[in-house]
Amino acid sequence: QKEVEQNSGPLSVPEGAIASLNCTYSDRGSQSFFWYRQYSGKSPELIMFIYSNGDKEDGRFTAQLNKASQYVSLLIRDSQPSDSATYLCAVRDRGSASKIIFGSGTRLSIRP
Amino acid sequence: DGGITQSPKYLFRKEGQNVTLSCEQNLNHDAMYWYRQDPGQGLRLIYYSQIVNDFQKGDIAEGYSVSREKKESFPLTVTSAQKNPTAFYLCASSMDREKETQYFGPGTRLLVL
Repeated sequence: QKEVEQNSGPLSVPEGAIASLNCTYSDRGSQSFFWYRQYSGKSPELIMFIYSNGDKEDGRFTAQLNKASQYVSLLIRDSQPSDSATYLCAVRDRGSASKIIFGSGTRLSIRP
Repeated sequence: DGGITQSPKYLFRKEGQNVTLSCEQNLNHDAMYWYRQDPGQGLRLIYYSQIVNDFQKGDIAEGYSVSREKKESFPLTVTSAQKNPTAFYLCASSMDREKETQYFGPGTRLLVL
C-alpha cells in the first residue's frame, strides 16, 4: 500500500514567522509531488508542484524535494493569518499515473 | 469561464434512497475522479475514469456507482447500500499524463435525514 504521511498538527506559528510543513512518501520511484491548501469547508486548491530534487520558490512559498530521503516539504515565509488552513501533500502514483495519493493533511494555524 | 462544477452544494438523503451527485468540467480533461472526505480526515478515492465509457474502483467503491458517458461529465450515485454516506464529496479532473495535477470542484455536502 503506497502511503503519504503527514503530521496532522495543529501546527501553530506566529504571524510573520516561517511555517514548515513536512511530508514523507513510501514509493521511492515517485516523480511528481504537489501541495494543496484547503480552507475549512472548501475544496483543495493547488499551490505548488515540484518534480526535481531541490527547492522551488513561488512568492512566499518554497517546496523542497529530497528523493533520496523520500520527503517533501513546504515552507511559508512571512506567515499571514490567511495562511491558516489544512495543507495536503500529494504524490502521483507511478503504478497508475491517473491516480494521486493524498496525505491526510497538516492543519496550520497562524496566530496574530 | 473554465472549471469544474458540482451540484448541488448540499444534498439530503433519506433512508433507503439513492441520490446522484453531478460533476461537470469544461477543461477538456481526460481523467475525472470522485473523493470522499470525512470531518478532519484526508481524501479517499471512490472511483476514477481515464476515458469515456471506462472507470475503475478506488479504495472505497462499495455502495457507490458512476458512469462516464461524456468526457465532460462524471456523475456519482450514492446507493442505499452505502450505510454511512454523510461526508463532503469532491470531484476532480486532470489531464491523464505524468506531472499533471488534479483540479477540484467546489464539493457537495451530503447529509442523511
